[in-house]
Amino acid sequence: KAGVTQTPRYLIKTRGQQVTLSCSPISGHRSVSWYQQTPGQGLQFLFEYFSETQRNKGNFPGRFSGRQFSNSRSEMNVSTLELGDSALYLCASSLAGTEYGYTFGSGTRLTVV
Amino acid sequence: AQTVTQSQPEMSVQEAETVTLSCTYDTSENNYYLFWYKQPPSRQMILVIRQEAYKQQNATENRFSVNFQKAAKSFSLKISDSQLGDTAMYFCAFINSGAGSYQLTFGKGTKLSVIP
Repeated sequence: KAGVTQTPRYLIKTRGQQVTLSCSPISGHRSVSWYQQTPGQGLQFLFEYFSETQRNKGNFPGRFSGRQFSNSRSEMNVSTLELGDSALYLCASSLAGTEYGYTFGSGTRLTVV
Repeated sequence: AQTVTQSQPEMSVQEAETVTLSCTYDTSENNYYLFWYKQPPSRQMILVIRQEAYKQQNATENRFSVNFQKAAKSFSLKISDSQLGDTAMYFCAFINSGAGSYQLTFGKGTKLSVIP
């Protein structure tokens, strides 16, 4: 059974640009969450989608957005990139969330220069 | 708001020995789930063990076990017979079971080094 797949693995962008990250969940998983991981702030929740609906959103500016498609694949977009957006972005999927725990991908390392 | 605290930023243990990682959390909820995740240098977060708050019995998974003290809001992880492959960051995480949650709250992590 394939795991959670995130693409690309690494990304370098310039300040002011925008970026789109992709996540393919485990087959059958309908919940997809996104987390930002930095050395200073640790792991912070961005948003969670279930059946194409955003059910919860973390405390991030509107530059961070996401969506989920009918096949449960998800994308997150960051517009007008800032240096502070440099981080590891992790995607996680679950059957329905909460009690099942989440299976994580290997993340996308975004560097903003 | 829920918080998760891991008071040990770094720990080390000799191969084959036992080590315990600490985690405390704060919540006003009664039903929730607790997890320990492992993140090796490969970056992928791997679920080590999960505990349902309404269950008294401590969860175990092979060499990994937890000591769950609900009243004290404590959730420590014990690793027995430590192996070199256990070297990683370990994160304690919490999630409410009620509708409207769907987000994990993580601690800052404990960096565990297993010494040969």
